[in-house]
Amino acid sequence: AQSVTQLGSHVSVSEGALVLLRCNYSSSVPPYLFWYVQYPNQGLQLLLKYTSAATLVKGINDFEAEFKKSETSFHLTKPSAHMSDAAEYFCAVSDNAGKSTFGDGTTLTVKP
Amino acid sequence: KAGVTQTPRYLIKTRGQQVTLSCSPISGHRSVSWYQQTPGQGLQFLFEYFSETQRNKGNFPGRFSGRQFSNSRSEMNVSTLELGDSALYLCASSLEGLSEAFFGQGTRLTVV
Repeated sequence: AQSVTQLGSHVSVSEGALVLLRCNYSSSVPPYLFWYVQYPNQGLQLLLKYTSAATLVKGINDFEAEFKKSETSFHLTKPSAHMSDAAEYFCAVSDNAGKSTFGDGTTLTVKP
Repeated sequence: KAGVTQTPRYLIKTRGQQVTLSCSPISGHRSVSWYQQTPGQGLQFLFEYFSETQRNKGNFPGRFSGRQFSNSRSEMNVSTLELGDSALYLCASSLEGLSEAFFGQGTRLTVV
């Protein structure tokens, strides 16, 4: 069975500050890992994905995530937060049978 | 290319009624997954269809059912609606199980 744990249901940062959203996973097979963003009343949009190539994955809007197998982590970072980054972020893991499991989400607030 | 289309966007139903939600995936995508999103439970996996067959199923009662047609369009049905079924229902399509999911904007179901 696979699972995803997102540490911190709410994260607040100041505009221009570093964004760090934490995700730990468990999987019995090499995982495929994803980060999605959801704006109010919208569906989820893919930010980036890890598929066993480079461990540092770059996504849209300057987000990136690093896959660390030893720590079973896939934390999402952005060097400088922008007001438009305020949203809910979901980490997800997929197994090779096509089933995706999502974390509970982290709401990012950006203060001016 | 066109994204994932869910209809209707908003729906209000009465307890005890049934409802059918529709999802048109991105052209060429054969996998369609359904999720229920509520403030209290987060994003929960309902089921996944691939080439007209249910491939994965979450932990929802039998009142929740779905199907997929030969053109990959999918419908989800909820019978005997309960107040707790009020949620945003999201549909996601992907080429195969290991590729990223593309989400529709969701159907907001309110049960009164």
